[in-house]
Amino acid sequence: AQSVSQHNHHVILSEAASLELGCNYSYGGTVNLFWYVQYPGQHLQLLLKYFSGDPLVKGIKGFEAEFIKSKFSFNLRKPSVQWSDTAEYFCAVTLGGSSNTGKLIFGQGTTLQVKP
Amino acid sequence: GAVVSQHPSRVICKSGTSVKIECRSLDFQATTMFWYRQFPKQSLMLMATSNEGSKATYEQGVEKDKFLINHASLTLSTLTVTSAHPEDSSFYICSALRVHEQYFGPGTRLTVT
Repeated sequence: AQSVSQHNHHVILSEAASLELGCNYSYGGTVNLFWYVQYPGQHLQLLLKYFSGDPLVKGIKGFEAEFIKSKFSFNLRKPSVQWSDTAEYFCAVTLGGSSNTGKLIFGQGTTLQVKP
Repeated sequence: GAVVSQHPSRVICKSGTSVKIECRSLDFQATTMFWYRQFPKQSLMLMATSNEGSKATYEQGVEKDKFLINHASLTLSTLTVTSAHPEDSSFYICSALRVHEQYFGPGTRLTVT
């Protein structure tokens, strides 16, 4: 079965530090990749997505992610985090192409805590 | 665009009663909607896929007689938790599919006393 793995469960950083959250998926075919953020008490919001094209994707709030097909990875990065980035981050995958049912497979989530 | 609403945002009910949660796509039509459950500090667990005009598809381990899903129109799906028990207390989130992307509602916090 397809799965998504996020390596870091809880990350604590100081403001201005750089961020990289790991995400790997297990599926050999075409995939669509997503990163979502859930701020405390708020609903899930899309940070960025990759369907095809340039594997380096830029999202909102200064986030970016790189799709490395050979590594089955889609790591999220931000050069300088802010206290307001404190949130839960979820990596998710849908199967691409004709296998796409729209069904998202979520990773376990990573809690990011940014200290002011 | 692509706004999804849920109602109610919070509900408290007594054990044994039923609760209905609505999920609406406000500015687009959605043939497919999804229902998730999220426990504190955990990821979203897909409960079922709701398809307009047909029966919902439930994930393994989800009781379809307990969690009734109806997708009667292209903008509305409902989840009814029947005979609720304290262990059903959770955060329920819906999403609506538009092209290849899901748009999430704000969630409903259900507390069963």
